[in-house]
Amino acid sequence: DAGVIQSPRHEVTEMGQEVTLRCKPISGHNSLFWYRQTMMRGLELLIYFNNNVPIDDSGMPEDRFSAKMPNASFSTLKIQPSEPRDSAVYFCASSSVPNSGNTIYFGEGSWLTVV
Amino acid sequence: QQQVKQSPQSLIVQKGGISIINCAYENTAFDYFPWYQQFPGKGPALLIAIRPDVSEKKEGRFTISFNKSAKQFSLHIMDSQPGDSATYFCAAGGSQGNLIFGKGTKLSVKP
Repeated sequence: DAGVIQSPRHEVTEMGQEVTLRCKPISGHNSLFWYRQTMMRGLELLIYFNNNVPIDDSGMPEDRFSAKMPNASFSTLKIQPSEPRDSAVYFCASSSVPNSGNTIYFGEGSWLTVV
Repeated sequence: QQQVKQSPQSLIVQKGGISIINCAYENTAFDYFPWYQQFPGKGPALLIAIRPDVSEKKEGRFTISFNKSAKQFSLHIMDSQPGDSATYFCAAGGSQGNLIFGKGTKLSVKP
């Protein structure tokens, strides 16, 4: 299995620019999660989807952030406009069913730097 | 109620020693408690997990101890090795399938 695939792996952008992060979950998984990791706040859950439907987006920091999952094999996290405080590692993760006890598999992350 | 508190923030252990990381949760609806291991430049990966119907789970050198009444659980790494040097995250999950993570513990095992 290819695992969770994220792109880009690294992104450096200027403040005010739009950033789009992409994710391909593991085939057959129907839950998808977006996490953000920083030194100060650790791993924060931003949003998660079950069967392509957003279930909880309470972790999305503000309206500048949006996420979509148009089909079972693709999701995007968009930041518009980006700010320096958005600099972080963004992880996409997926699991097989929306039940507790199922392993969540993480991608290798998208390292975002906003200057 | 959604927080998971993890300590210590960092830990230095000699090779062959025991590493112990502690976590506490508040929400009694949580019923799945995994530990994830993360190496630099990589995503977190599941190490070991436990459900609250057992008090201990052991896999090789890694053991989770779970205290339901105290709402605490811990990871013990026996015979710690330099290759165990990584950041460890505890987490708690419920019926929705999402996980709430602790802030992580950076473990360094000195040879």
